[in-house]
Amino acid sequence: NAGVTQTPKFRILKIGQSMTLQCTQDMNHNYMYWYRQDPGMGLKLIYYSVGAGITDKGEVPNGYNVSRSTTEDFPLRLELAAPSQTSVYFCASSYGREMLNSPLHFGNGTRLTVT
Amino acid sequence: AQSVTQLDSHVSVSEGTPVLLRCNYSSSYSPSLFWYVQHPNKGLQLLLKYTSAATLVKGINGFEAEFKKSETSFHLTKPSAHMSDAAEYFCVVSDRASGTYKYIFGTGTRLKVLA
Repeated sequence: NAGVTQTPKFRILKIGQSMTLQCTQDMNHNYMYWYRQDPGMGLKLIYYSVGAGITDKGEVPNGYNVSRSTTEDFPLRLELAAPSQTSVYFCASSYGREMLNSPLHFGNGTRLTVT
Repeated sequence: AQSVTQLDSHVSVSEGTPVLLRCNYSSSYSPSLFWYVQHPNKGLQLLLKYTSAATLVKGINGFEAEFKKSETSFHLTKPSAHMSDAAEYFCVVSDRASGTYKYIFGTGTRLKVLA
């Protein structure tokens, strides 16, 4: 039972480079989320998806893109990396509205540094 | 709109003494509330969730939380702190506004346990 799997665990990017953070879940959750965590700031929602083919912006979407072609996968794309995107990124999933009080299930995170 | 406020950014307790981490929420719906724990350099783990079946919710590792609607609070407690409880704790409310299902995080409380 893998749950939510994120890759890579660590990455260092140069300013202007691009990369994709991978996220996959095997719990058949329709709802998936990307958060970033900065020290003392809690978790901020970047993008979320309520099902395959449906995505929407969260609180801090600028500089990021997502796609959701399957139920299982929800990759996060950084097109032109900036130092402000240095953060820890968490992918999460849940049953959302389909199950009352459904909690979030988290991956182990990706620690990204942009220099 | 839903929101959550964690009243203390840092809490220090001695090992064996009680723990109290405070959380207040704002919600226009009957809220779904959660507490998560994050140990250093780890992902987020669900401690407990409020299901409306009972106002006192028991979680893992001896933690409890009491839902008080009149005070809009969901404080986390533990009778006796253990060194392994040192971590960051997040209070979370789900936003069940029509058409969305987002989770709103507090800014976190870092618990330090002194020997």
